[in-house]
Amino acid sequence: AQSVTQLDSQVPVFEEAPVELRCNYSSSVSVYLFWYVQYPNQGLQLLLKYLSGSTLVESINGFEAEFNKSQTSFHLRKPSVHISDTAEYFCAVSVTLRGSQGNLIFGKGTKLSVKP
Amino acid sequence: KAGVTQTPRYLIKTRGQQVTLSCSPISGHRSVSWYQQTPGQGLQFLFEYFSETQRNKGNFPGRFSGRQFSNSRSEMNVSTLELGDSALYLCASSWTGIHEQYFGPGTRLTVT
Repeated sequence: AQSVTQLDSQVPVFEEAPVELRCNYSSSVSVYLFWYVQYPNQGLQLLLKYLSGSTLVESINGFEAEFNKSQTSFHLRKPSVHISDTAEYFCAVSVTLRGSQGNLIFGKGTKLSVKP
Repeated sequence: KAGVTQTPRYLIKTRGQQVTLSCSPISGHRSVSWYQQTPGQGLQFLFEYFSETQRNKGNFPGRFSGRQFSNSRSEMNVSTLELGDSALYLCASSWTGIHEQYFGPGTRLTVT
C-alpha cells in the first residue's frame, strides 16, 4: 500500500528565512507527486507537481521541490518566506495504476506559520 | 477557465437526515473525485467518477454514494447522517484521474 509521511506537523519560521517542508512516500510502483496548499476555510490549491523529466520543479511564487527516487522524498523548499505563505501544505502521490485512478494519497499536512 | 465549483458551501443537518452535495468540474475534465477532510483523519478519498462510471472507491460505508452526469457534473449523497460525518467535503476534477487534480472550495457539513 502507498503512504505519504510529512514529518513535521507544524513549522514556525521568521519572515525572509528559508524553509523546508519534508515529505517521504512509500510505494512499490511509480507515482506522480504533488504539493498542495490550503488557506483557512478554502479548498486545496495545486502548488507544484512532478510527473516526469527534471527532478527539480518550481512554482510561480518561489517554492521548489526535488524528487529524489532513491530516498523516496519530495521535499518542498523556499529560500525566503513571506507572511502570506502562512498556510497548511499537503504532499500527495498519485499511483499510476489501473484501478487507482482519482485517488490522491495525502500526508497529514504541515502548518507553516510565518512570523514577522 | 472557471474553476471547480461546489454547492452549497455550508450545510447544517440533523442526525439521521440525508444530504446531497454538488460539484461542477473544470470544463473538459471528465474525472471527478470526492474527499472528506477532518482534523483527526485528514484527507480521505471517497470515490472517483469518469464518464459517468465509478472507477475507484475508498473505504467508506455504503451510506456514502455518488454519481456523475453526462456533463461531468457530480453529486455525492450521504444517507442516515451521523455526528462523525461532520467534515469538509472536497471535490476535485482532472483530465485523467491520475494526473494533477484541481479542487473546489469545499462544502462544510455540520451534523448536529
